[in-house]
Amino acid sequence: GENVEQHPSTLSVQEGDSAVIKCTYSDSASNYFPWYKQELGKRPQLIIDIRSNVGEKKDQRIAVTLNKTAKHFSLHITETQPEDSAVYFCAASIAGTASKLTFGTGTRLQVTL
Amino acid sequence: DAMVIQNPRYQVTQFGKPVTLSCSQTLNHNVMYWYQQKSSQAPKLLFHYYDKDFNNEADTPDNFQSRRPNTSFCFLDIRSPGLGDAAMYLCATSRVTSTDTQYFGPGTRLTVL
Repeated sequence: GENVEQHPSTLSVQEGDSAVIKCTYSDSASNYFPWYKQELGKRPQLIIDIRSNVGEKKDQRIAVTLNKTAKHFSLHITETQPEDSAVYFCAASIAGTASKLTFGTGTRLQVTL
Repeated sequence: DAMVIQNPRYQVTQFGKPVTLSCSQTLNHNVMYWYQQKSSQAPKLLFHYYDKDFNNEADTPDNFQSRRPNTSFCFLDIRSPGLGDAAMYLCATSRVTSTDTQYFGPGTRLTVL
């Protein structure tokens, strides 16, 4: 089955700096890669996703890049703000199956003032 | 305008006492998922329904069962909760398979005494 690795497990940045979280996946058939933000005690919320026919996608301060050859994808947050502090999960899934999201292990992002 | 609703938000049960968690959705999505999330870990898929078709994950204990009486509702039954079953239980829905966006409910935090 699919295996998703995520790094780093914790990340501390100063407000205004950029943050980058990286994930690798194992199954070349995976073609959908969402990113979820989860604040303490709350539900995971989708912040951005990318499908394998696209190399990059941007939404305001958030961008995701996908390298299918290397089987890795990354989340980029620019101009970080304290409210960006949360746990971020990447995930991957395969089209055409009664499938599931395989989640990475999560990155705890702390944005300090 | 809640789209995925879970009840109760907090559930306390005793060791071995059956418990049922509820999920409902207003999105008319085909697929409903149940995840277990323990502290500081990624959500772990237990099973999902594609319409009325039930799909169990291979490593989901027999102690966990599910019912989907109609499109809107799905239940998670834990027949004999153990201390290790204390976790946040998240329900999610998606339109078709997990290559479509999954929307999570707020979760039910289960405590086992």
